[in-house]
Amino acid sequence: ETGVTQTPRHLVMGMTNKKSLKCEQHLGHNAMYWYKQSAKKPLELMFVYSLEERVENNSVPSRFSPECPNSSHLFLHLHTLQPEDSALYLCASSLDRTNEKLFFGSGTQLSVL
Amino acid sequence: RKEVEQDPGPFNVPEGATVAFNCTYSNSASQSFFWYRQDCRKEPKLLMSVYSSGNEDGRFTAQLNRASQYISLLIRDSKLSDSATYLCVRLRADSWGKLQFGAGTQVVVTP
Repeated sequence: ETGVTQTPRHLVMGMTNKKSLKCEQHLGHNAMYWYKQSAKKPLELMFVYSLEERVENNSVPSRFSPECPNSSHLFLHLHTLQPEDSALYLCASSLDRTNEKLFFGSGTQLSVL
Repeated sequence: RKEVEQDPGPFNVPEGATVAFNCTYSNSASQSFFWYRQDCRKEPKLLMSVYSSGNEDGRFTAQLNRASQYISLLIRDSKLSDSATYLCVRLRADSWGKLQFGAGTQVVVTP
């Protein structure tokens, strides 16, 4: 148990659907992240939140919309996705955004049909 | 050239043997490096930090060669449970707190 919980574990959606990924951390951390991991590729940083403020957006398409209502919760809202968006989406947290030790959730395996 | 490059493997290792693999990086401004371990269909977990020339933790030894711009991970007395993908990660000096991941090296320990 890493202290970072992600739901759902698996998600299959059509290109016209709207869905949300949820992440919750119980570690008292101040920074939260969304990463995308495609097969055989490095983890790609998508968004960084520090103290509920988005501090980084790595040129992610607008069909991905993050939300951080408080320092313990992070959402990734998905709409009109493309098949190439199919990947493992990992949430992570760290003590603060300068701390390099990341604690990852178990991820959401997303398939877009 | 990728900023963090790893041999994808797989490295097939008999149980009890030693395995070592490298990770090369292209940006000499890199300050710190890390090895994360990722089991199949699981999340990455921090294995070791590599701040100066190297670090040792039990059966695992990480070394940093700044002149040649690579870090290595050596696993002694391999266990079946060491089978995983090992991710090389660097902390970018030019981007505050930003980690850059390699694609990983797969290690398969066989009985």
